[in-house]
Amino acid sequence: QVQLQESGPGLVKPSQTLSLTCTVSGGSISSGSYYWSWTRQPAGKGLEWIGRFYTTGSTNYNPSLKSRITISVDTSKNQFSLKLSSVTAADTAVYYCTRDCNGDSCYYAMDVWGQGTTVTVSS
Amino acid sequence: EIVLTQSPGTLSLSPGERATLSCRASQSVSRSDLAWYQQKPGQAPRLLIYGASSRATGIPDRFSGSGSGTDFTLTISRLEPEDFAVYYCQQYGSSPIFTFGPGTKVDIK
Repeated sequence: QVQLQESGPGLVKPSQTLSLTCTVSGGSISSGSYYWSWTRQPAGKGLEWIGRFYTTGSTNYNPSLKSRITISVDTSKNQFSLKLSSVTAADTAVYYCTRDCNGDSCYYAMDVWGQGTTVTVSS
Repeated sequence: EIVLTQSPGTLSLSPGERATLSCRASQSVSRSDLAWYQQKPGQAPRLLIYGASSRATGIPDRFSGSGSGTDFTLTISRLEPEDFAVYYCQQYGSSPIFTFGPGTKVDIK
């Protein structure tokens, strides 16, 4: 059973870069059957998709965040990472990593979620 | 960008009652591109329904999804105590790839 675990600093200063890692266990991140995404949720609010990558190396980003996002992968560690630059208080949220189906077993839904990690942007 | 609207914002019901949640899209959405998630306080969302009407692994059959085009529905046939939560619809599109509705909270009456 695939499990995802987010990790990274819980506190980031304004204007700095937020860096998070998602470790995948129980399955290979190199599987061509899935995409791998980051999604976030400010406290008491809804969900916002941030971006995703595929094993070919292709990435897709939310246009509203595109200029500040980098998603990368380390297949040797079975991990993928998020970097969000020039953060402000508006980036304070719970950040989730997810496994996204690729049109087969569950069409295009996010079928596995990490537990989430809270990131606060504050000086 | 396709915008999803969910109604009602809050649904107050008693255990055993039927819950009907609506998700409306600003443009037509393919059935294969519509999913529903459940989120309980302090937990990550959980996939309930994909492809508008297919239940995810382990999801009880009291949960069902229906709809097409711009109107989709999640129905919980008989509410169990563990079903009181927030429900989000999500669509898979082009830019951005994923968008979520604002959610419907199902709380205990």
